[in-house]
Amino acid sequence: SAVISQKPSRDICQRGTSLTIQCQVDSQVTMMFWYRQQPGQSLTLIATANQGSEATYESGFVIDKFPISRPNLTFSTLTVSNMSPEDSSIYLCSVEGVDRSEAFFGQGTRLTVV
Amino acid sequence: AQSVTQLGSHVSVSEGALVLLRCNYSSSVPPYLFWYVQYPNQGLQLLLKYTTGATLVKGINGFEAEFKKSETSFHLTKPSAHMSDAAEYFCAVSDRTSYDKVIFGPGTSLSVIP
Repeated sequence: SAVISQKPSRDICQRGTSLTIQCQVDSQVTMMFWYRQQPGQSLTLIATANQGSEATYESGFVIDKFPISRPNLTFSTLTVSNMSPEDSSIYLCSVEGVDRSEAFFGQGTRLTVV
Repeated sequence: AQSVTQLGSHVSVSEGALVLLRCNYSSSVPPYLFWYVQYPNQGLQLLLKYTTGATLVKGINGFEAEFKKSETSFHLTKPSAHMSDAAEYFCAVSDRTSYDKVIFGPGTSLSVIP
């Protein structure tokens, strides 16, 4: 199994500002995934981050709004830029297991934009 | 493309009663199937998964699910509900043939009535 640490666990931010969320994994992984869970909703994939290349974004998500870094095989960051109240969500980092048969999740970052 | 549907956004059962949460999937390739649970203000926890082999899968906390290919279903059951089972449950599917993201269903909120 993989142990994932996310920082911060929660934050309250002013609209128009940016927040960077960190995701640290206790083992090397090829791909890391960032999800958004809006209040009362299911998880939606934002992007897939592969070390050494640009992240791949899902429909409805753009790099200017959600820039992602993946400097090495155990770490990634997601930035939520120019925030508005609609960005208030839980953001989760995820990785696949070694045998690709399971996804592991961090505890999430609960973001409130005021 | 893969997708997941969960019948019933909210299910209520009495303590001690059978829990049945429905999940149907769509996948063009043999899927991996998962049930995740999310307790209030917590991250996601894997309940059980189907990859290959036995179609009846047992998970943690007394839950089990049966993969029925002919019905494209992966319903979650527990013989006797406990108060601590109250949570949000997500069915999910992923593509086993390549690195791929996990696609989540909309979720079912389970309430347990004393």
